[in-house]
Formats: sequence, C-alpha cells, structure tokens
Amino acid sequence: DSGVTQTPKHLITATGQRVTLRCSPRSGDLSVYWYQQSLDQGLQFLIQYYNGEERAKGNILERFSAQQFPDLHSELNLSSLELGDSALYFCASSVTGGYTGELFFGEGSRLTVL
Amino acid sequence: QQPVQSPQAVILREGEDAVINCSSSKALYSVHWYRQKHGEAPVFLMILLKGGEQKGHEKISASFNEKKQQSSLYLTASQLSYSGTYFCGTGDNSGYALNFGKGTSLLVTP
Repeated sequence: DSGVTQTPKHLITATGQRVTLRCSPRSGDLSVYWYQQSLDQGLQFLIQYYNGEERAKGNILERFSAQQFPDLHSELNLSSLELGDSALYFCASSVTGGYTGELFFGEGSRLTVL
Repeated sequence: QQPVQSPQAVILREGEDAVINCSSSKALYSVHWYRQKHGEAPVFLMILLKGGEQKGHEKISASFNEKKQQSSLYLTASQLSYSGTYFCGTGDNSGYALNFGKGTSLLVTP
C-alpha cells in the first residue's frame, strides 16, 4: 500500500459525459502528479501540483482540468469524453515539488468510455 | 519530451542479465526508474541525479550519462520477481515535470 488513495477504482460512462477522479496523497506529501496510461503510449504525464499550485503541464487536453485543494487532495476532471479517453489514470504523490524525490503511485482509476 | 526506451521487450531465463536503456533528446537533470507488475501501480526503483547522486534499490544498478542524455538500468542475475514493465522517467530544467517512456516489458522464465 503506497498510501495514495484514488477513487473510483473503476468507472464506466458514455461519450460526451463528464467525470471526476479523486486523489488523496500520502500524509505529508505536498506534490501530486496525474498520469494517463494506455496500452500504446505508456505513462503520459498530464499535470503536476505542489501545495495547491500548478507547477507543470504535460500532454493534457483542453477538455481535462485539475486542481489541488487546501487539504492537498486533488481532482482530475474529464469532460466531453471520447472513446479514446478510455485509460488507466494514475495519481502519484511526492514530498518534494521537484523530481528529485520518489513518486508514490495510487492504484489507479480505470475509465471506460462506451 | 517523452524519453525513448529500448528494447521494447525482453525475455530472460532466471539468472541471466539484462540492460534497459533510456535516452532523451533534451538535457536531463534526473532519471527515475520504476517497475510495474501486471495490474498494479508502478513502484519506485531508483533515482539518478545530475552530479552522480543515486538513491534506490540494492540489487539493481543504473548509470546516468549526462553528456549523452542517456541512462541504463542493469538487472543482474535476474529473478522471477523481476518480471514486469520498466519505465524510465526524466526530469528537465523546468524542475517539476517527470515524463516517462513507453516502457520495457521484461519476462523472466524459470
């Protein structure tokens, strides 16, 4: 158990819909990363927050947005869903805001868009 | 910005050695290595930082060539438990983003 909690574990929805994925980082970790994992693309970096502030953006679509709240939990919002958005979404947390520290990954949220 | 890993897949017999390579077209400031077993989350193996500092696994070693923007992960005397997909993650000068490669699938057979 990494200490990072992601909900829901599984989600099935239809095209055009909107979903919210939630992540609670390990106690004491200030940084949260979001990744999308699909079979052919590996782990795609989406976005990173540190203590409530956005610090880095990767290949995140405009239909996706995220935020980190004062209690440090984070939410990833996916809207106008398409079939290609079906993937495993991982959240990871780290003590540091940079990439010199170990990332602890949650179990992931598997999104299926029908 | 995604680093390139090679090989894509490798099959070993127990006890054999393997090398997984990771390269980037941009300057590297750190390299992370993670292993993901089927159906599980990625788990940290090692970090290599610019300047030579390393933090990580006892039985797995790695190198980081800053000038060539490359890193290699060395798996010696492989065990069945080494099977999984290995990802390298690279940090650039932004100080925050960590981009992972597409992964190398490793299967160790008895």
